[in-house]
Amino acid sequence: ETGVTQTPRHLVMGMTNKKSLKCEQHLGHNAMYWYKQSAKKPLELMFVYNFKEQTENNSVPSRFSPECPNSSHLFLHLHTLQPEDSALYLCASSQASSGDRGLLYEQYFGPGTRLTVT
Amino acid sequence: GDSVTQMEGPVTLSEEAFLTINCTYTATGYPSLFWYVQYPGEGLQLLLKATKADDKGSNKGFEATYRKETTSFHLEKGSVQVSDSAVYFCALSVRREYGNKLVFGAGTILRVKS
Repeated sequence: ETGVTQTPRHLVMGMTNKKSLKCEQHLGHNAMYWYKQSAKKPLELMFVYNFKEQTENNSVPSRFSPECPNSSHLFLHLHTLQPEDSALYLCASSQASSGDRGLLYEQYFGPGTRLTVT
Repeated sequence: GDSVTQMEGPVTLSEEAFLTINCTYTATGYPSLFWYVQYPGEGLQLLLKATKADDKGSNKGFEATYRKETTSFHLEKGSVQVSDSAVYFCALSVRREYGNKLVFGAGTILRVKS
């Protein structure tokens, strides 16, 4: 496999369920990201991991719990979600760096997981 | 704060028409600018980028020029195809300790009819 992969591609879950989304990148990157894409809203950055350390959490509710066991894998654990959490969840990766060089590095996205909360 | 504003869609064109999607930004410092494209059922793909003023990014017939004086990065294509139908996102890259953070516009839907 190449690039960024995400599983599952589609997920339907009830509000009391617990599930996890998985992301894997095969690009040798050290930064990974979770985004939420809802209809008619801008892409929302949720979490950032840099060299396995969480470096950003954009006020995401605690029912979303990220995990980054190594630089190639990223998980998003879900529990007691609400219907408004239904969205496309996108994972991305990039080279990690600091300073101005970081501005040059584009992010590579996976195909996303379409989540429906019933 | 840092932000990106894109023209609202959907934009509907006939095949071989000229395309312009406007994008303006607000940022401190000198960000890098990107256009991403999202085809139906897929994630975002980088279409082109520009890293400094007056740079022109180009790919697959699409072009955009980094205009610092007007803080713009408009996307253009001389002759669109049905296969260009997708959502287009303008984005800028801002500096963080860990690396870059992308700030996205809301996206513009493009529909091309044959």
